[in-house]
Amino acid sequence: GEDVEQSLFLSVREGDSSVINCTYTDSSSTYLYWYKQEPGAGLQLLTYIFSNMDMKQDQRLTVLLNKKDKHLSLRIADTQTGDSAIYFCAGTGAGSYQLTFGKGTKLSVIP
Amino acid sequence: SQTIHQWPATLVQPVGSPLSLECTVEGTSNPNLYWYRQAAGRGLQLLFYSVGIGQISSEVPQNLSASRPQDRQFILSSKKLLLSDSGFYLCAWSVPTGGPSYEQYFGPGTRLTVT
Repeated sequence: GEDVEQSLFLSVREGDSSVINCTYTDSSSTYLYWYKQEPGAGLQLLTYIFSNMDMKQDQRLTVLLNKKDKHLSLRIADTQTGDSAIYFCAGTGAGSYQLTFGKGTKLSVIP
Repeated sequence: SQTIHQWPATLVQPVGSPLSLECTVEGTSNPNLYWYRQAAGRGLQLLFYSVGIGQISSEVPQNLSASRPQDRQFILSSKKLLLSDSGFYLCAWSVPTGGPSYEQYFGPGTRLTVT
């Protein structure tokens, strides 16, 4: 089945860019997602990218997909303290409506 | 617009007691429904999913069960809780199979502490 890996922690200064990386194993993943989880809350879908795209930009968020290397990244420009959260990468594996989540990257923004 | 509700928000239960967590979705029909558990370490573990009333698939064998008595209601249960059942339980929904992009939308979660 699908396996999704992320680094566990990232610390950046306010105003800098954050880059959160993710690797996945299932090359047939059709969609790849980024979710955000604030403390004590559910997951909020931030953005997703279809597997035939290389890049998707949405305001401060840029998603890059390297399908050859099975590598996905989320770049947050001008990171703010409100961006502090856990960010999950997820992919559709076998069974297109099921998602496999990474363990999440905890982003800490230093004022 | 669609909304998803979970209750209770927090729950403290003794070992061996029963459990019932409820999830309801509004504003959509025939959604796919999911139960996840998020234990310490933050990983999300898919417990159950359902593509229709009475249709439940279990991903992980354990002392939990799920039921879907109505189209937009998903219930997570246990007859006897274990300490290891403590965690943050998340319900999610997605458009029916064959929808545009399969993204899942999550409820606010239930924090369960088994003592």
